[in-house]
Amino acid sequence: QSVLTQSPSVSGAPGQGVTISCTGSSSNIGAGSGVHWYQQFPGTAPRVLIFHDTNRPSGVPDRFSGSKSATSASLAITGLQAEDEADYYCQSYDVSLNAWVFGGGTKLTVL
Amino acid sequence: EVQLLESGGGLVQPGGSLRLSCEASGFSLSDYAVSWVRQAPGKGLEWVSVIHNSGEIYYADSVRGRFTISRDISKNTLSLQMNSLRAEDTATYFCAKQDGPIVETWFFDYWGQGSLVTVSS
Repeated sequence: QSVLTQSPSVSGAPGQGVTISCTGSSSNIGAGSGVHWYQQFPGTAPRVLIFHDTNRPSGVPDRFSGSKSATSASLAITGLQAEDEADYYCQSYDVSLNAWVFGGGTKLTVL
Repeated sequence: EVQLLESGGGLVQPGGSLRLSCEASGFSLSDYAVSWVRQAPGKGLEWVSVIHNSGEIYYADSVRGRFTISRDISKNTLSLQMNSLRAEDTATYFCAKQDGPIVETWFFDYWGQGSLVTVSS
């Protein structure tokens, strides 16, 4: 059972938008720890998509955006493309566990 | 260019040992923290252990007392000695560089390709 909670799956048609949520607690997201998002394709390593809640690394399209509020965070993807089909993970730091923690992952299906 | 290259994975019997290595290039282990993160087949990501640029070491509860992380600054190489292995340790192990102003904001900005460890009789 993951410390951060994500819905197992989400889907959307090409061109539409989806939101992936990540729920934590007062000892991680609510403690002010940064929230980061990763994209992972089967058989490959994760790559950072959003860091420090809302920031995109160079090369990540602006169709991807992050937000944070209280003990939860969200990843929004607009203008869905077939190439966006992947697993998405949120990550933060838990000050009670003294550990970096991940959500269980959300599988995005582009219909 | 930052690169991380893991090696040392394989098949090991329950109770056995294995040592993973991660060769880093494009940055120095004396300047950044690097962690091991694992992923069981078909499952999510789990942080395992970190060695800070200062040399401080931390472990996840699931591996503390069985796994040992270390580094060789001269070779810019990270290692993970895994003892008393269990079936539930079966996973792909990634080494990942961390970045951020303070520990609570650190994220994993570069990842290796991963090394598969299978614990089975």
